[in-house]
Parts: sequence; structure tokens; C-alpha cells
Amino acid sequence: AQSVTQLDSHVSVSEGTPVLLRCNYSSSYSPSLFWYVQHPNKGLQLLLKYTSAATLVKGINGFEAEFKKSETSFHLTKPSAHMSDAAEYFCVVSDMGRRALTFGSGTRLQVQP
Amino acid sequence: DTGVSQNPRHKITKRGQNVTFRCDPISEHNRLYWYRQTLGQGPEFLTYFQNEAQLEKSRLLSDRFSAERPKGSFSTLEIQRTEQGDSAMYLCASSSREGTSNYGYTFGSGTRLTVV
Repeated sequence: AQSVTQLDSHVSVSEGTPVLLRCNYSSSYSPSLFWYVQHPNKGLQLLLKYTSAATLVKGINGFEAEFKKSETSFHLTKPSAHMSDAAEYFCVVSDMGRRALTFGSGTRLQVQP
Repeated sequence: DTGVSQNPRHKITKRGQNVTFRCDPISEHNRLYWYRQTLGQGPEFLTYFQNEAQLEKSRLLSDRFSAERPKGSFSTLEIQRTEQGDSAMYLCASSSREGTSNYGYTFGSGTRLTVV
């Protein structure tokens, strides 16, 4: 069975400081891992994905995530937060061969001026 | 329009009424998914179509829920005898066979259902 735990329901940072959103996963097989972002009243947008290629994955808008199998983690980072980064972020896992995505409960990122 | 389109954007209905939502996927995508998102939670998988065939259904999809994709293009999700617990955002997503591996899904903006 696959599952995702987002360790922080809410993260607040100041503009220009680093962002770290934590995610741990559980998967029976070699998983695909994603980060999605959801802005208010907008659809979910794919930030980046890992599918057993490079363990450090670069996404859009300066975000990146590192797959660490030994720690079953897939944390999302960004060197410098921007006001437009304020949104809900979801860590997502998909077992190989399954069509359904399993979402974490989300982390709300707040960026202070 | 190259995105996933969902209609209506909002629906308010009285308990016990039936409602139907529509999803128009990206035209070249043969895979279509329905998810449900309640307040403060991540989306939960409901069902999956490949072309017109419904290949997977979650246990969340009770007998009051039915989904169709009659010609392998648009899809409808119907909820019969709505209950207050059905209040949620219903999300549709689509992907191509290659896209699922490389690009994930493309999600629509959702239909927000409020049952009063």
C-alpha cells in the first residue's frame, strides 16, 4: 500500500528566505513521486516529479526535491521564497503500475513580506 | 482551450437531490480520473477511465455515485440522493499514456458542491 505523510500542515517564511516542505512516503514498489501546488481557486499544478532517474529533481519556479530512499523522504526546497509562492503544496506518490495517485494532506506555505 | 474543463464551477443543491458534473479532458488524452477533495485534505481518488472503459473504482465511490465516459471523450459524474457529506470539490484530471510517466496529470479547476 502507498501512503504519504506531510510533516507540517503549515509553514511560514519571510520573503527571500529558504523554503523546506517535508514529505515522507511509504510504497510497496518503486514509486513515482510528485509535488503539486494549488493556488486558491485554481487547479492543481505539477511542480516536479521523480521516476527513478536522478535523485535530485528540478521543477518549475526554482523548486527542487531530493529523493532519499534510505529515509523514504522527498522534501521540497527553494532557495529564496517569493510572495507568489504562497499556496497549498501536496506531496503525491504513485506505485508503479497503479493509476491512482495518493496525496498527502497538504502543507500551506505562507510568505511574509 | 488546451486545459481540462469542468462544469459547473459551483453547485448548491438540497439534500436528496441528484447532481451531475461534466469534465472535458485534453483532447488527445485517453486517460481520465475523478478525485474528491474535502476542506483541509488532499484529493482522494474516486475512479479512472481509459478511453470509455472504467478500469478502477475506489471504495469511496458508493452506490450513489456513478461515472461514465460514453465515447472516450468527456466524462460525467453523477451523485444520486445527495447527502451533506458529499459536499466537496470534485476534481477531474487527464493524461496520455506517455504523460502519466513523464508529466503526471493535468487537473481541472474542479466543481465545488455544497449540499444544504
